[in-house]
Amino acid sequence: AAGVIQSPRHLIKEKRETATLKCYPIPRHDTVYWYQQGPGQDPQFLISFYEKMQSDKGSIPDRFSAQQFSDYHSELNMSSLELGDSALYFCASSPGTDAKNIQYFGAGTRLSVL
Amino acid sequence: AQTVTQSQPEMSVQEAETVTLSCTYDTSENNYYLFWYKQPPSRQMILVIRQEAYKQQNATENRFSVNFQKAAKSFSLKISDSQLGDTAMYFCAFAGGFKTIFGAGTRLFVKA
Repeated sequence: AAGVIQSPRHLIKEKRETATLKCYPIPRHDTVYWYQQGPGQDPQFLISFYEKMQSDKGSIPDRFSAQQFSDYHSELNMSSLELGDSALYFCASSPGTDAKNIQYFGAGTRLSVL
Repeated sequence: AQTVTQSQPEMSVQEAETVTLSCTYDTSENNYYLFWYKQPPSRQMILVIRQEAYKQQNATENRFSVNFQKAAKSFSLKISDSQLGDTAMYFCAFAGGFKTIFGAGTRLFVKA
């Protein structure tokens, strides 16, 4: 069965650079979520989209932006990168808005900011 | 605001024995869902079990079961017949609306 695809799997950037993370949800899933997991920490919700519109917002820095496209894939854009942005970024998708719909997680993108 | 608390940072259990991981949460919502996720060393997030708040019956999934106490806002995970492959970080999670709030996690070691 198809799963959530995240690319790239690993990304190394310098401070003050920009990064773009991509997420391809499971087919027919219309809701996408982004999470940030720092070393030894629990995943923190950043933002979610439903039907290409932002549906909820968490602790996402102003330097970050995201969108969901017509094919339901999503991109997380990160600018003016800081050392503290080094983390594992998860994307998850679900087939609806109801919380009972299980969020299926991708393998994550490991971002290292040097 | 919702919060999820896992008070056991680390636990260990002997292979084939039973272990219970604790989780408490706080919310003013009446309709929500609770999950346990497993994160092995690969760091993949894997759903273990879920519970719908309006259901009184505790969820069970093979060797995994929960003890859901809605009034006490408690949601513990019991792992029976522990296996070496159960060694992982376990996150309790609360889902209401579009976001999921995770607890700090419990690192479980299964010893041979």
